Formats: sequence, C-alpha cells, structure tokens
Amino acid sequence: DQQVKQNSPSLSVQEGRISILNCDYTNSMFDYFLWYKKYPAEGPTFLISISSIKDKNEDGRFTVFLNKSAKHLSLHIVPSQPGDSAVYFCAATPVSSGSARQLTFGSGTQLTVLP
Amino acid sequence: GAGVSQSPRYKVAKRGQDVALRCDPISGHVSLFWYQQALGQGPEFLTYFQNEAQLDKSGLPSDRFFAERPEGSVSTLKIQRTQQEDSAVYLCASSLVGELFFGEGSRLTVL
Repeated sequence: DQQVKQNSPSLSVQEGRISILNCDYTNSMFDYFLWYKKYPAEGPTFLISISSIKDKNEDGRFTVFLNKSAKHLSLHIVPSQPGDSAVYFCAATPVSSGSARQLTFGSGTQLTVLP
Repeated sequence: GAGVSQSPRYKVAKRGQDVALRCDPISGHVSLFWYQQALGQGPEFLTYFQNEAQLDKSGLPSDRFFAERPEGSVSTLKIQRTQQEDSAVYLCASSLVGELFFGEGSRLTVL
C-alpha cells in the first residue's frame, strides 16, 4: 500500500523549459512534504519542502505547490538545466513525527533535461 | 566529517552470510535513520534512533535485521543469514531538527 505515489517513472524536458514533477499521497495525517534529488551513486539531497499550512513555496528556480484537498503536490523547475537531470523523490511525514522527520518516500521520477 | 559517511560502499555476500553496515552521522545529530532502497523504488524506512535509544524499529523486515547505536553516534545495521531479497542500497540519514541528511549508501548484493 503506497502512501506516496509518483506515477511517472521518467520525464524528459528541453533545456530552458519548465519541468513539472507530480506526487500524490493517501495519508491525511501527512502535514509536511519534501522533495529530494538523487544523482547516481549518491545519497538523496534535500531540495525544497512545504508545510500543509501553505499552498506554495518557492526557492529560486524551484517551486512546490500543495493541493491538500486533492492530496497532490508538484515540483516546478523553471528554467530547466542539464544539471537538473536526476531522480526526484517526493516524501511526506505526519504530524506525529515531531522534530524527527521519519519520511515516507515515493518511487521517484527520473528527470532528463536535454541540451 | 562534514557529511554522513557509510561503509562499505559496496558489499557482495553469499546467501547465508552475515553482514554489518556502518554509519557515521553528522557530528551532533541526535536522530539517525536507516532506510532500504530496492532497485527502482524509493527509500523505505527501517529503523530510527534518538541518541542511543532505538525508538522505532517497525520497518525492519525480519528478525534477521538488527541495528544498534550504543554510544549515540556511530550506528551499525547487521543482517544475519542474508537472503537474495536483502539485495538493496541501505541508506543512513541523520538529523538535528527538520530535514534528513543522507549518506551515499551501502549497496548490498546477495548471491
């Protein structure tokens, strides 16, 4: 039973265009959402997060949108760059985690930005 | 070191062998997590420590899996009598508050 779902295993985008990565969740207790980026042979690195009290968080080229009623979030990257090519994981954590963020991850989306 | 360090990076074991995977968290990080990542999947939670106390081990798949963090710093994940289905990347992460910082992982292949 996947509580966090990333239904697109891969996405290809032209350099300079917008990349949109999607994520759906089923657990209504999740209140904090994160995106991690992973290069081959490296561990995931934190990219951006959003609390359930917000519907948008922006950091440079990266923006995360949260639609609580639809239990859906998305990551927008604009403009996309070849160095953005990586696997992107959506992750979520419930209120009960407190200060320790035990995360539930999606299966990831491989983003390829074509030069 | 500056980041989370894991060793070995790669381990090949014959089925039935015991393995031990080590994690050095970021200095001062109270929380330490172990995750298992199978090929083509996202990381899945195994266990969580706060200092030396193992507060949650609900994700450990069987009693062949054992984790410890005796002094509240370095942690070891031990897998006894390895099986082929144990083949995965084992990720360690540490945290002070908020986001997790991951190591590069230990890739275990069981033949």
